Amino acid sequence: DADVTQTPRNRITKTGKRIMLECSQTKGHDRMYWYRQDPGLGLRLIYYSFDVKDINKGEISDGYSVSRQAQAKFSLSLESAIPNQTALYFCATSDLPGQERDTQYFGPGTRLTVL
Amino acid sequence: AQTVTQSQPEMSVQEAETVTLSCTYDTSENNYYLFWYKQPPSRQMILVIRQEAYKQQNATENRFSVNFQKAAKSFSLKISDSQLGDTAMYFCAFLNAGNMLTFGGGTRLMVKP
Repeated sequence: DADVTQTPRNRITKTGKRIMLECSQTKGHDRMYWYRQDPGLGLRLIYYSFDVKDINKGEISDGYSVSRQAQAKFSLSLESAIPNQTALYFCATSDLPGQERDTQYFGPGTRLTVL
Repeated sequence: AQTVTQSQPEMSVQEAETVTLSCTYDTSENNYYLFWYKQPPSRQMILVIRQEAYKQQNATENRFSVNFQKAAKSFSLKISDSQLGDTAMYFCAFLNAGNMLTFGGGTRLMVKP
C-alpha cells in the first residue's frame, strides 16, 4: 500500500464550488505539505503543517485553506474554486529535520479542473 | 528567498548513453540540502538523489550521481547507462533551514531507443 495517498485522484468542478482534497499518510511523519504544479512548471508550496496544532502559509496560499485533522491527515480546501486553480495538487510528508529524515515524500497527485 | 534554475527545458539521450542535467541555485544560507526528483508520465514525484551541502563528497545512487559545486552554487545530475524508463521530467529542489522546498522549472528528458 502507498505511504502517502490522495483523494480524489481526478476532479472536475465548476467555478464557485467548494472543493476539498484529502491527504493521508502511514509514514508516521509529523510534517505535511500541499503543493501546486502548473503545466511545464515546478511545484509551489501552498500550505504546510509541522504538527497537528501548526498551520503555516506557503508561497501561494490565497484562495486556499487547510485543516490538519490528525497527524496522518491534512486536507486542502478551495472555498470558491476559480479556473486559474486548475492544476495538479500534491501532498507531501517529511520527518523531523536532521540526517535524511527531512526528505519529502510525495503522494500520487490530484488533477483538478475548474470549468 | 531561494531560487532554483534549470536552464535546459528539454533534453534527449540515446539508450545506454550518459546525460547530464544542469541546476543552479541562489541562496545566502550555508547549511541546506539539494534534491533531484523524477516525475514520469504517471506524474508521481519520485526522489532520485539527495545531497547535504556540508558534505564535500558527491552523492551517488546506482546509475545516478551528482556534481555538487558549492562555491558555484551548481548541482548537476548525471545519469549513466540511460534506460527507457528514465524518460521523465526531472526537478532540482533546494531545502532551506526552515524546511521549505523550492523547485526549479524542470527538464524534460527523453531516452531514445
